Amino acid sequence: DGGITQSPKYLFRKEGQNVTLSCEQNLNHDAMYWYRQDPGQGLRLIYYSQIVNDFQKGDIAEGYSVSREKKESFPLTVTSAQKNPTAFYLCASSQTGRTPLHFGNGTRLTVT
Amino acid sequence: KNEVEQSPQNLTAQEGEFITINCSYSVGISALHWLQQHPGGGIVSLFMLSSGKKKHGRLIATINIQEKHSSLHITASHPRDSAVYICAAEKIGGATNKLIFGTGTLLAVQP
Repeated sequence: DGGITQSPKYLFRKEGQNVTLSCEQNLNHDAMYWYRQDPGQGLRLIYYSQIVNDFQKGDIAEGYSVSREKKESFPLTVTSAQKNPTAFYLCASSQTGRTPLHFGNGTRLTVT
Repeated sequence: KNEVEQSPQNLTAQEGEFITINCSYSVGISALHWLQQHPGGGIVSLFMLSSGKKKHGRLIATINIQEKHSSLHITASHPRDSAVYICAAEKIGGATNKLIFGTGTLLAVQP
């Protein structure tokens, strides 16, 4: 079955450490996205990529970095520069163009 | 004011009831998405519509472009429908799938 795999489901880190969240898709989708979800707020776009080796900042990119070396993979690094990293992170993908998004099951990151 | 507003924020229903969740938006859009988020956190896309009405099983989504309003209806609700329902607006002129999300409606259907 095609889908998006995010790992791990739960992640705990100490403040000051960088951490990388994994996102892999086997849907052959061109576009991939990272969203952050906080209680009481709508999802907010961190980064998106419409093609391999290219990506753009979303609305809240500060303190985050991404890479898109392969079509299937779009890892997100939460750096120590992100002031409030504890959140639920969702990865999504779609065919280029106006098509529905497919989401992963998310990674809950807790930084203490 | 948020560009996408949902109501109600919380909704409790008895099994079998007809449910309506509303979404209003203040921007020009090319499409409106309805999503379902289960307690584990994963999100499923239910509908993407730019006009009229779409139906899938017991779910119906409608949109009125002039009034900038969309509704999600669930007929014969069931406890397995309990989830957070999220609407998201795809802005005209925005990058592909750059969506503005509502804060969600938490639905609990009791047996």
